[in-house]
Amino acid sequence: DVKVTQSSRYLVKRTGEKVFLECVQDMDHENMFWYRQDPGLGLRLIYFSYDVKMKEKGDIPEGYSVSREKKERFSLILESASTNQTSMYLCASRLERLTYNEQFFGPGTRLTVL
Amino acid sequence: RKEVEQDPGPFNVPEGATVAFNCTYSNSASQSFFWYRQDCRKEPKLLMSVYSSGNEDGRFTAQLNRASQYISLLIRDSKLSDSATYLCVVNTGISNFGNEKLTFGTGTRLTIIP
Repeated sequence: DVKVTQSSRYLVKRTGEKVFLECVQDMDHENMFWYRQDPGLGLRLIYFSYDVKMKEKGDIPEGYSVSREKKERFSLILESASTNQTSMYLCASRLERLTYNEQFFGPGTRLTVL
Repeated sequence: RKEVEQDPGPFNVPEGATVAFNCTYSNSASQSFFWYRQDCRKEPKLLMSVYSSGNEDGRFTAQLNRASQYISLLIRDSKLSDSATYLCVVNTGISNFGNEKLTFGTGTRLTIIP
């Protein structure tokens, strides 16, 4: 079974703090994704990594950066957290770039920025 | 027009009934289509891919209508365990780096009533 894990289920941070969200997958998948999910807006892609050290901006990259130094780990960084970044963050992985491959999601991190 | 659009519901349906919902997409060149299921406070999971000829998996049937640019999901003999949010997913283009882009709908919430 593919397993995607995220470092925290719940996180509370203050405005201006630097925040790291970690995601690890154990199935040697090439592609990894970070989404945020908000009521009425659905899942929106923040960043996508198609290989180690390779990344691509998604639909809403502003205020975020990512790091992928190892194949199994994809980190999302909020350089200076703001209240409008309060959201559910979901990491996903996919075997390779062909879209008919299933995306496997982690359990999510609910981030609250005060 | 949104790239992927779904009726948010909620659909409240008695157990044993048949329920169907649609999802419309705006990019006529889209080639890949999926239905994901998301239980309350859980991550999305692939329910089924949608093939050109339509496909069935037990009580679930997915259809694609390219002319009208929508996909549909039909659930027969609904069970209490079918209560969830159903997300429509469509590939909506190619990025600058040649990666296919997937767009998620906002989801349709289904509640099966005993």
